[in-house]
Amino acid sequence: EAGVVQSPRYKIIEKKQPVAFWCNPISGHNTLYWYRQNLGQGPELLIRYENEEAVDDSQLPKDRFSAERLKGVDSTLKIQPAELGDSAVYLCASSLDPQRASYNEQFFGPGTRLTVL
Amino acid sequence: GNSVTQMEGPVTLSEEAFLTINCTYTATGYPSLFWYVQYPGEGLQLLLKATKADDKGSNKGFEATYRKETTSFHLEKGSVQVSDSAVYFCALRGATNKLIFGTGTLLAVQP
Repeated sequence: EAGVVQSPRYKIIEKKQPVAFWCNPISGHNTLYWYRQNLGQGPELLIRYENEEAVDDSQLPKDRFSAERLKGVDSTLKIQPAELGDSAVYLCASSLDPQRASYNEQFFGPGTRLTVL
Repeated sequence: GNSVTQMEGPVTLSEEAFLTINCTYTATGYPSLFWYVQYPGEGLQLLLKATKADDKGSNKGFEATYRKETTSFHLEKGSVQVSDSAVYFCALRGATNKLIFGTGTLLAVQP
């Protein structure tokens, strides 16, 4: 079974440019997460989707970040315009419907390493 | 708010040495606790978990016991291998269902 797929794996851009990351979750997983991992830190949740609905986007900087999950499957995270401080690894994760179990393991993709120059 | 504190790395050990990576947490209520591992170039993988006090999670020779009295969830392995070299993250999940991660500890095992 394929895991969580992310692309691109690496991206280098100049500040003020836009950038987009794509994630395809594990088939059948209703919940999708985007995390940001700064160098030397643990991942921090940016947004969580249940199907196509964003149920927790409290940590998403909405002035420059946006995300969508059309049709409740794959998802895109966008930054426009990018700033130097956005350099980080952006991780996508997915899990089964959290309403059906006390805990559903989150499966992580390999991440996209963004460098803003 | 909820938080996780884990020992800073890097931790450098020789093969077959005993490993301990300390993790303590602050949380309201009764969180679930996890250890994730990130091998070079790969995504995070769940290593083990414990959902209530005194539970012991174990996997691949690693163990951690949920200690409510000391708010700790230390990771241990009796004999590490070179293939265990990775970054290890302690995490908790509280009432909001959100995973809160520690800063990670790099383990380097030398042959």
